[in-house]
Amino acid sequence: NAGVTQTPKFQVLKTGQSMTLQCAQDMNHNSMYWYRQDPGMGLRLIYYSASEGTTDKGEVPNGYNVSRLNKREFSLRLESAAPSQTSVYFCASSEAGTQRNYGYTFGSGTRLTVV
Amino acid sequence: AQSVSQHNHHVILSEAASLELGCNYSYGGTVNLFWYVQYPGQHLQLLLKYFSGDPLVKGIKGFEAEFIKSKFSFNLRKPSVQWSDTAEYFCAVNAGGYGGATNKLIFGTGTLLAVQP
Repeated sequence: NAGVTQTPKFQVLKTGQSMTLQCAQDMNHNSMYWYRQDPGMGLRLIYYSASEGTTDKGEVPNGYNVSRLNKREFSLRLESAAPSQTSVYFCASSEAGTQRNYGYTFGSGTRLTVV
Repeated sequence: AQSVSQHNHHVILSEAASLELGCNYSYGGTVNLFWYVQYPGQHLQLLLKYFSGDPLVKGIKGFEAEFIKSKFSFNLRKPSVQWSDTAEYFCAVNAGGYGGATNKLIFGTGTLLAVQP
C-alpha cells in the first residue's frame, strides 16, 4: 500500500550507542518531517526537509542529524543516544506548495528506548 | 512563533454524549488548521482540515470543526460519541496559507478522549 514506511518499529539502545531511523515514502511528496511524541507534549518537530536537497531544524533538533537521501527517503540519526531521547518517532510527508492536500501522511512510528 | 493550545488534556464521556474539544492558536495571519486522531497503538490520521471558505468544516466519522477567526479557535465537535472514538486528538496549525514556505505543522499537546460504554 502507498504511504510512509518507517523502520525499525521498535529499538532498545544503550546510552552512547548510535542508530539511524529510516523513512521512505512512495507518494512523490516534496516535504518530509521527523517528529517525536512524548506523553503530555504532543508532537514536536525535530527536523524537516522542504524538498530534496534541503534540511532544516525544527523545535527540538539537539542530539539528532538527518539526511534527505533522495526524494523518497529521509533518515534520522542519533549519534550518541541519551535516555532523554526515549520516545516514539514519527516520520511524515506532505505535498508542499499546493492547495490540494496540506495534511501529512504519517508512518507507523518507531518506539525507541534508551537505557 | 506559532503555538497551539489544547486546554482539555483528558476527557471522559459516556456513549451518546456530545463532544467539544477546544483548540486555540496564536498567529495573526492566514492559517490552515487541522485535527488529527491517533487510535491506541496507531499512527496519526487526518480527521478534517480548514483552508478557507465555510468556517464549519465536516470531516470523517461524523466529526466537524468550526473556525472562529476572531477567537483564534478551531474547536472539534461530535454530536454523539461512540466507544470507538476513544483516542487521542491533536489540533495543528500551519501558518501562511498555501503551506507557507515549508508546510510544517505545529501540533498541540493533544487531548485524550475515553468513551465509556
